[in-house]
Amino acid sequence: RKEVEQDPGPFNVPEGATVAFNCTYSNSASQSFFWYRQDCRKEPKLLMSVYSSGNEDGRFTAQLNRASQYISLLIRDSKLSDSATYLCVVNRWDGNQFYFGTGTSLTVIP
Amino acid sequence: NAGVTQTPKFQVLKTGQSMTLQCAQDMNHEYMSWYRQDPGMGLRLIHYSVGAGITDQGEVPNGYNVSRSTTEDFPLRLLSAAPSQTSVYFCASRGTGEDTQYFGPGTRLTVL
Repeated sequence: RKEVEQDPGPFNVPEGATVAFNCTYSNSASQSFFWYRQDCRKEPKLLMSVYSSGNEDGRFTAQLNRASQYISLLIRDSKLSDSATYLCVVNRWDGNQFYFGTGTSLTVIP
Repeated sequence: NAGVTQTPKFQVLKTGQSMTLQCAQDMNHEYMSWYRQDPGMGLRLIHYSVGAGITDQGEVPNGYNVSRSTTEDFPLRLLSAAPSQTSVYFCASRGTGEDTQYFGPGTRLTVL
């Protein structure tokens, strides 16, 4: 079973829409959780860390459900510039091994 | 401050050839790592290092060697390239206690 699983999409949404991605992880010992963004043929970049209490950064909200072992990312008021692949990342207890999901592709349509 | 740099950007090898992918960072980060990214597989950790002189295996270490003689540099060596090693390789670094991993621009490797 994969450490991290994501729906690959693609998600095609109109500008201004709200879109949500989910991600599940298999190892209950996982300690840290992140969402990264990757543009086509570019390197991944940290979008936000995911904390147990949930966190928000502008139009982006991340939630963690440890009991069900899933992480979510909500994007409100989608912009064309949000078009990218969103990677769910999980870190084990020792902090040194990061596991990436395959990514969810988002295209925001004018 | 260049961040994480990788060379070369593109490389084509024949089966059995060897080469070294270079990675350097100028942020004085202790943690550095190498990933490969394949379609449908996501990024997978090859090797990582928590400081000069210390390396460890990740999820897919076979066919790759690393060393960390300085804080700044973390080269990845392919001793005998195989077509299965055709991939995009990313190097990343992270400061101690920090969440953010900073990735280099990647090396696109094709093994024929």
